[in-house]
Amino acid sequence: DSGVTQTPKHLITATGQRVTLRCSPRSGDLSVYWYQQSLDQGLQFLIQYYNGEERAKGNILERFSAQQFPDLHSELNLSSLELGDSALYFCASSVDARGGLDTQYFGPGTRLTVL
Amino acid sequence: GENVEQHPSTLSVQEGDSAVIKCTYSDSASNYFPWYKQELGKRPQLIIDIRSNVGEKKDQRIAVTLNKTAKHFSLHITETQPEDSAVYFCAASMRSNYQLIWGAGTKLIIKP
Repeated sequence: DSGVTQTPKHLITATGQRVTLRCSPRSGDLSVYWYQQSLDQGLQFLIQYYNGEERAKGNILERFSAQQFPDLHSELNLSSLELGDSALYFCASSVDARGGLDTQYFGPGTRLTVL
Repeated sequence: GENVEQHPSTLSVQEGDSAVIKCTYSDSASNYFPWYKQELGKRPQLIIDIRSNVGEKKDQRIAVTLNKTAKHFSLHITETQPEDSAVYFCAASMRSNYQLIWGAGTKLIIKP
């Protein structure tokens, strides 16, 4: 157990809908990262927040947005869902603001299925 | 642009033999190189990492070597066991935004 929690574990929804994925980082970690992993694919970095502020952006679609709250939990909002958005969404956390220099601990993931 | 190439995409080895996975990176300023293991349906977990001021690091059956001149680093697993079967991802830090750039992954299959 990495100490990072994600809810829900599974989510099934229809095209055009909007969903929210939630992540709580490890105690003491200020950075939260969101990744997308499509079936049998690698990890695509979406976005990072550090202590409530957006820190870095990766290949995140305009239909997707995220935020980090004062208690440091984060939410990833996915809207106007398409079939291709079906994937595993991982959250990771670290202490440092510089994600490329610090160990990232991953949560168990949320499996999103868009029908 | 910055990228990390990982080879091979699939590696099948006999139980007890060694496995080597190699990654090549493009950003000469990269200075942190972690390796993650992902079992089927599970989260990626850090198994070993190395920083640019070190050439080699070992942890029991796992080792990572770094060649900064050639800009590549490799994961070595000795005496492979069935529980080593998983997908392994390498990553390298990027100077541009201090994020990790990830390799595409290697599926390691341990044959009994």
